[in-house]
Amino acid sequence: KAGVTQTPRYLIKTRGQQVTLSCSPISGHRSVSWYQQTPGQGLQFLFEYFSETQRNKGNFPGRFSGRQFSNSRSEMNVSTLELGDSALYLCASSLRGEIAGLGNTGELFFGEGSRLTVL
Amino acid sequence: GDSVTQMEGPVTLSEEAFLTINCTYTATGYPSLFWYVQYPGEGLQLLLKATKADDKGSNKGFEATYRKETTSFHLEKGSVQVSDSAVYFCALSEYRGGSNYKLTFGKGTLLTVNP
Repeated sequence: KAGVTQTPRYLIKTRGQQVTLSCSPISGHRSVSWYQQTPGQGLQFLFEYFSETQRNKGNFPGRFSGRQFSNSRSEMNVSTLELGDSALYLCASSLRGEIAGLGNTGELFFGEGSRLTVL
Repeated sequence: GDSVTQMEGPVTLSEEAFLTINCTYTATGYPSLFWYVQYPGEGLQLLLKATKADDKGSNKGFEATYRKETTSFHLEKGSVQVSDSAVYFCALSEYRGGSNYKLTFGKGTLLTVNP
């Protein structure tokens, strides 16, 4: 079955602009998480959505937001872009929270990421 | 809060060498532990996992044992191949009730294997 699909793969923006990234999870997965990957900070958790509800949030400013649609596809938005927002944004889907006993052991399936460059 | 510390890279080895990448963690309860691998230009994929103390996860010749007494989950492989060149991430997931399942990752270790 198809994996996690992220679009766009690459994009360049300038400071002050806003950006929207899209993620289509594996069919049947309702949990979608977003991570920011940078050389200095590594992988940092942004937020997680499940059935259109945000159920976890990392320590990022309010400029970072997301949503999930009824078909489980998710988008994240970054407003008023700063140079430090340049990063690889990774989306992951999973069956966490859906299968009894799977709990926090379920595998995350990652997309290839959207590489954002802010000039 | 939860944290994961893994050895700084980069690590450069010759083919067929023995690999160890150290990983230690801090958690308040009983986390599940994971190793993810990221090949060049790709997203992360699960390499192996262990869900309780003394469990050994293994896959593709890689192994890691969940050591609660030393809070460690070191990754090992007896004989690396050029195709193992990638970034390796240690991660933990600790259930905190409700639906909190987020993963906490280490910073990653770049492994380069030369022929």
